[in-house]
Amino acid sequence: KNEVEQSPQNLTAQEGEFITINCSYSVGISALHWLQQHPGGGIVSLFMLSSGKKKHGRLIATINIQEKHSSLHITASHPRDSAVYICAAINGGATNKLIFGTGTLLAVQP
Amino acid sequence: NAGVMQNPRHLVRRRGQEARLRCSPMKGHSHVYWYRQLPEEGLKFMVYLQKENIIDESGMPKERFSAEFPKEGPSILRIQQVVRGDSAAYFCASSPLGYGELFFGEGSRLTVL
Repeated sequence: KNEVEQSPQNLTAQEGEFITINCSYSVGISALHWLQQHPGGGIVSLFMLSSGKKKHGRLIATINIQEKHSSLHITASHPRDSAVYICAAINGGATNKLIFGTGTLLAVQP
Repeated sequence: NAGVMQNPRHLVRRRGQEARLRCSPMKGHSHVYWYRQLPEEGLKFMVYLQKENIIDESGMPKERFSAEFPKEGPSILRIQQVVRGDSAAYFCASSPLGYGELFFGEGSRLTVL
């Protein structure tokens, strides 16, 4: 069993839909990154959060450290949001030695 | 301010050859991380370096792999005597501190024939 689990693994949505991707972890963590990776492309860090909620444009990330759960929400989804979304946990300590989830492949259809 | 630069973007090697992957962090960043993404698998941490120091190499395979981040110049991930199982995308990321904000490069995709 992975220490960081994501669901769903694959997600297809229609343009404009509200999307939620979930991440749960079995290890103690100090913070968590949400990353975006386009096919064949690089990786972009969307958020790093250790508590509560952060918002950037149409993206919202929440985390509950005690419940070991984080969610990434996309409002008014658009085809350009199609990508793999990866949560990555910082397993204590003050480094970016990350434990990665397996990713959620999102396809937003026009 | 240029982002994290990795080169080469694509590298093809035959079994037994050496692969050298370079990573120039963002200006002002002295913390570099290397991660590996094997085909059909997730990303995994390999090594964390600061200038002239290896801080944590717990994710590096015990043999054939080494990394450095010299006082001058890019960080280098070196794979000696490559095997087919080394085929993967290797991502470098840099950070202004050892923790927190993280900026990734585009990755170097190694194919071993």
